Amino acid sequence: EAGVVQSPRYKIIEKKQPVAFWCNPISGHNTLYWYLQNLGQGPELLIRYENEEAVDDSQLPKDRFSAERLKGVDSTLKIQPAELGDSAVYLCASSPRGALSYEQYFGPGTRLTVT
Amino acid sequence: AQSVTQLDSQVPVFEEAPVELRCNYSSSVSVYLFWYVQYPNQGLQLLLKYLSGSTLVESINGFEAEFNKSQTSFHLRKPSVHISDTAEYFCAVSESQGGKLIFGQGTELSVKP
Repeated sequence: EAGVVQSPRYKIIEKKQPVAFWCNPISGHNTLYWYLQNLGQGPELLIRYENEEAVDDSQLPKDRFSAERLKGVDSTLKIQPAELGDSAVYLCASSPRGALSYEQYFGPGTRLTVT
Repeated sequence: AQSVTQLDSQVPVFEEAPVELRCNYSSSVSVYLFWYVQYPNQGLQLLLKYLSGSTLVESINGFEAEFNKSQTSFHLRKPSVHISDTAEYFCAVSESQGGKLIFGQGTELSVKP
């Protein structure tokens, strides 16, 4: 079974430019999460989807960040415009329904560097 | 609000020595507790979890953690570490199944020969 796939793995952009990250969760997992991991810190939730509905986006900076999960499968996280402080690793995770819904499976992340 | 504190940012240890990585949490409700491991350039992997029942939980590679409600702790232990255990370890808490995880700052375990 394939794990959570993220692309690109690395991205370097100049400040004020837009950037997008893509995530393909494990097949059949209805819950999808985007986390932000700053250097030397634990991940922090940005947004959580149940199928195509964003059920927790309270930590998403909506002035510059947006996300979508069309058809309840793949998801895209966008930043426009990027700022120097956005340099971090962006992690995607997914979890199944039911009794195993506590178990989140993480992708390798996208490391963003804003110059 | 929930929070997780990992008391040690770095833990250097020699191979075959015992190790304990400390984790304390705060929450006003019952929680689920997790330890995740992150190897270099890889995503986080679930190491072990406490949901309910026995307060001592074990992983397949020799780690164990004990839930202590009175001390609000969930320390991770291994009696004899290997070089391959070198990684970043994160303690996390969740108030509900499928809900968001609140992570600690991480502990870098470095096992030296």
